[in-house]
Amino acid sequence: GDSVTQTEGPVTLSEGTSLTVNCSYETKQYPTLFWYVQYPGEGPQLLFKVPKANEKGSNRGFEATYNKEATSFHLQKASVQESDSAVYYCALIGGYKVVFGSGTRLLVSP
Amino acid sequence: EAAVTQSPRNKVTVTGGNVTLSCRQTNSHNYMYWYRQDTGHGLRLIHYSYGAGNLQIGDVPDGYKATRTTQEDFFLLLELASPSQTSLYFCASSETGRVFFGKGTRLTVV
Repeated sequence: GDSVTQTEGPVTLSEGTSLTVNCSYETKQYPTLFWYVQYPGEGPQLLFKVPKANEKGSNRGFEATYNKEATSFHLQKASVQESDSAVYYCALIGGYKVVFGSGTRLLVSP
Repeated sequence: EAAVTQSPRNKVTVTGGNVTLSCRQTNSHNYMYWYRQDTGHGLRLIHYSYGAGNLQIGDVPDGYKATRTTQEDFFLLLELASPSQTSLYFCASSETGRVFFGKGTRLTVV
């Protein structure tokens, strides 16, 4: 079946440093890929949909890239802030099912 | 903005008890999902549905039943609750791949 595997956490960073979260996936269908973010006490919410292969997407200072040949996609931010502390999920939609990675907890210290 | 409402937000039950978790979405989305979230496992799909009267089995269905009574309402049933079902449960709805989550129901089985 479909699956996604992502960077294990927690990831602890200082404010102003850069972040990269990696995800790899397996599917027999054409993948539709997403990044979600979950803040404490809330449900996950969409960060953005990953654009087509070799294109970049961005939202709230985060960027996503997708390497179709390596079946991997990545979330990056050049300079994290304390408010970015959250759990980040990559997700794959194959058919009707939405499959999430195990989540990467980011802790940003001031 | 899409709205998914879960009730109750917190529930404590005894082993062997009968529990129903409720979910309502007001966006006329076809797809609805039940996930459980546990430390180290991320979001795991229990059941999902693509319309009233439809039910699909997810990745961790054992011990759970679900019913989609209307386009808006999706219920998760635990008929003989066990301590291993202590978890945070999320309901979600989806259209065109974007998933909207409720705030979650924390279930404790003692």
